[in-house]
Amino acid sequence: DTAVSQTPKYLVTQMGNDKSIKCEQNLGHDTMYWYKQDSKKFLKIMFSYNNKELIINETVPNRFSPKSPDKAHLNLHINSLELGDSAVYFCASSQDRDGPGTQYFGPGTRLTVL
Amino acid sequence: EDKVVQSPLSLVVHEGDTVTLNCSYEVTNFRSLLWYKQEKKAPTFLFMLTSSGIEKKSGRLSSILDKKELFSILNITATQTGDSAIYLCACKAAGNKLTFGGGTRVLVKP
Repeated sequence: DTAVSQTPKYLVTQMGNDKSIKCEQNLGHDTMYWYKQDSKKFLKIMFSYNNKELIINETVPNRFSPKSPDKAHLNLHINSLELGDSAVYFCASSQDRDGPGTQYFGPGTRLTVL
Repeated sequence: EDKVVQSPLSLVVHEGDTVTLNCSYEVTNFRSLLWYKQEKKAPTFLFMLTSSGIEKKSGRLSSILDKKELFSILNITATQTGDSAIYLCACKAAGNKLTFGGGTRVLVKP
């Protein structure tokens, strides 16, 4: 009965590779997000989708491409991985797009680029 | 650019102590302020505050928002070792953008 799930939980890969992280939510929420948490634990938003439409796209290298096949899924594909991409990536979802509502976070994917 | 600043960066207390965590913000089109607790993995939701001066309470935790002075505090009374975590403050703006502060790391010693 996991609300927001991510796979994989851990990902270790070499520089230059391409990798994907998957996210699914079973809360019936309309909006999903990707966040990056760096080694100093600072959480920063990367993308947000509402009903499969991109609504937030922060200053993120275009090596990162989110894809939302339906409103319950938001995947993150990363091309040509670099050392600086090492971080924990969190997926989140919320019911509303523009209200004050809370966001619910997945367990995170720890990406290590060697 | 929206900014959320938390203080202190970290603190160490003993069980039974009371802690007060601070969060100040400068956010355009502010909608709400949220507090999260992050232990080993995902941040878990604690409070959402939208109105000034109304205290939200959950057990030993409470929080209040001051929209005039642009800050919030999170209080934890009678701390326990299970309260050890990073506490994150985030502000939600129009368009659903959530800006996080850097967090306060709390360590509660037995």
